[in-house]
Amino acid sequence: NAGVTQTPKFQVLKTGQSMTLQCAQDMNHEYMSWYRQDPGMGLRLIHYSVGAGITDQGEVPNGYNVSRSTTEDFPLRLLSAAPSQTSVYFCASSYSWGGMNTEAFFGQGTRLTVV
Amino acid sequence: EDQVTQSPEALRLQEGESSSLNCSYTVSGLRGLFWYRQDPGKGPEFLFTLYSAGEEKEKERLKATLTKKESFLHITAPKPEDSATYLCAVLRYGGSQGNLIFGKGTKLSVKP
Repeated sequence: NAGVTQTPKFQVLKTGQSMTLQCAQDMNHEYMSWYRQDPGMGLRLIHYSVGAGITDQGEVPNGYNVSRSTTEDFPLRLLSAAPSQTSVYFCASSYSWGGMNTEAFFGQGTRLTVV
Repeated sequence: EDQVTQSPEALRLQEGESSSLNCSYTVSGLRGLFWYRQDPGKGPEFLFTLYSAGEEKEKERLKATLTKKESFLHITAPKPEDSATYLCAVLRYGGSQGNLIFGKGTKLSVKP
């Protein structure tokens, strides 16, 4: 079991460029989410999905798009990168969000710098 | 406003010196409280889930407890390998589905 795999680990973008952060999990988890982590702030939810074909916005969704065509994959797209999107991005998955087994398992992160 | 506050921000201990980390929360209905450990350059690693006041969980030198307003992570006789940032997060009823609210973390350093 690889768990949650994120690629790339590091990325530098120029302002205005677009890119996709990849996330894949092999635990057959229904629930997947994207967070960003900034110095002095807690992890903040960007977008989440409760199953294939279903996505919704989190706390800080502006400038990001997601889609969920399969259970395993949940890519995050930056439409037009801005310096404010410089951050460390984490993908997470969990078996469910309600009841038991709600603990989230995180990937190793993607460190993104926008210049 | 739903909020999770962790204290202290940083904690330095000598090896073997026991202590506690605090996570206080104000949410409109707690579904669960989670503790994670995060090493530099890595993603958070799940430690514990607590669902109701009075619940306790243990793992090696760590013990997590929960009351109606806060949770404690007790570290007994810590070792240098326990050095990390410890994150607390709550899952609440209502609001955005699955919206974990994270605290800013406590950075623990254990010196030999």
